[in-house]
Amino acid sequence: AQKITQTQPGMFVQEKEAVTLDCTYDTSDPSYGLFWYKQPSSGEMIFLIYQGSYDQQNATEGRYSLNFQKARKSANLVISASQLGDSAMYFCAMSPMDSSYKLIFGSGTRLLVRP
Amino acid sequence: KAGVTQTPRYLIKTRGQQVTLSCSPISGHRSVSWYQQTPGQGLQFLFEYFSETQRNKGNFPGRFSGRQFSNSRSEMNVSTLELGDSALYLCASSVDRGGYGYTFGSGTRLTVV
Repeated sequence: AQKITQTQPGMFVQEKEAVTLDCTYDTSDPSYGLFWYKQPSSGEMIFLIYQGSYDQQNATEGRYSLNFQKARKSANLVISASQLGDSAMYFCAMSPMDSSYKLIFGSGTRLLVRP
Repeated sequence: KAGVTQTPRYLIKTRGQQVTLSCSPISGHRSVSWYQQTPGQGLQFLFEYFSETQRNKGNFPGRFSGRQFSNSRSEMNVSTLELGDSALYLCASSVDRGGYGYTFGSGTRLTVV
């Protein structure tokens, strides 16, 4: 069965420091996409970063980078230089490249950035 | 360009009633999918539509239904509402199967009393 696991329900980080949010996934599909989304208290899911299963390099988007370790089936999100506005829920998700046309989400990690 | 628009933002309904939620995708996006988010179950896939055809449906009872119009706008309907249907309903649009380009709306927060 396809599954996303986020083992950190909540995390604190000091402003301007880096933080890593963990994500492991389980799939037998050879092709899939991995995503990270941010959800502020307003509810909107904001796309942060994407990694394809065949991508050789780790994805980066500004202060966000994805530490993709395919053999370990992990896709950790690294946020550098944390800002107060980074306080939110963060969800890891997987999109199988089959005919399911859906995202499978983890349970999320609540990040709180301390001033 | 305009993002994904969901209406209404908030809704309060009584048990037994039915409700219709609307989602207008980004212009040019033909795939629309729906998700239910609750504190207990997290984010769960409801269904996905592409060019007015439902391509996949999640594990929800038949009270949950949806449709997509020729302009790609989508609606989802929940009949005979139950207290457990209280949730944030999120809509996402993409060009096709999603892949890189899932864009979500702000959601409709439904409360069933």
